[in-house]
Amino acid sequence: EPEVTQTPSHQVTQMGQEVILRCVPISNHLYFYWYRQILGQKVEFLVSFYNNEISEKSEIFDDQFSVERPDGSNFTLKIRSTKLEDSAMYFCATSYTYEQYFGPGTRLTVT
Amino acid sequence: KQEVTQIPAALSVPEGENLVLNCSFTDSAIYNLQWFRQDPGKGLTSLLLIQSSQREQTSGRLNASLDKSSGRSTLYIAASQPGDSATYLCAGYNQGGKLIFGQGTELSVKP
Repeated sequence: EPEVTQTPSHQVTQMGQEVILRCVPISNHLYFYWYRQILGQKVEFLVSFYNNEISEKSEIFDDQFSVERPDGSNFTLKIRSTKLEDSAMYFCATSYTYEQYFGPGTRLTVT
Repeated sequence: KQEVTQIPAALSVPEGENLVLNCSFTDSAIYNLQWFRQDPGKGLTSLLLIQSSQREQTSGRLNASLDKSSGRSTLYIAASQPGDSATYLCAGYNQGGKLIFGQGTELSVKP
């Protein structure tokens, strides 16, 4: 069964560094999403992406964040200058119509 | 603001008991609803998706219902087992397709 994959599974970075989280969607999916979950908190929507454009973004998704599909297969989330409060599990999700399929997540630890 | 609330926050039951987890949402603009399972430190496993035109979905020992008029969904787990111990998340799709998550119910099934 096709699945969404994410790399790396765990990323440790120092405050102020740039990180790129990668997602490989299910091959025929058209809609892409990033969510995050800070430890002990709700899963929160960050951004949705369709047809090479951001469809919707939350207030969390400020100028420090960006998304792109650099090669038509990977879907990436970049955080330009990480902060301690960016430490969280980041989930990629993709869909063909409405049902979203989630990747296993990347645990980002900012020290 | 669209919100999803889950009660109770935590539940402990003896093995073999039937149980119900509750989810409520504040906005009728929540369309489809999805239940997930999350094991500690892990990703999201989709359990059941209920489309807005449906009233319930069943998978094995799990049954989920959706009542949009009252803004409620329930997840019924029959004959609970220790392996069912996990956090159960309810999430509603809004009109734009993003998922809005509740804070989860942490279930512990004692042998």
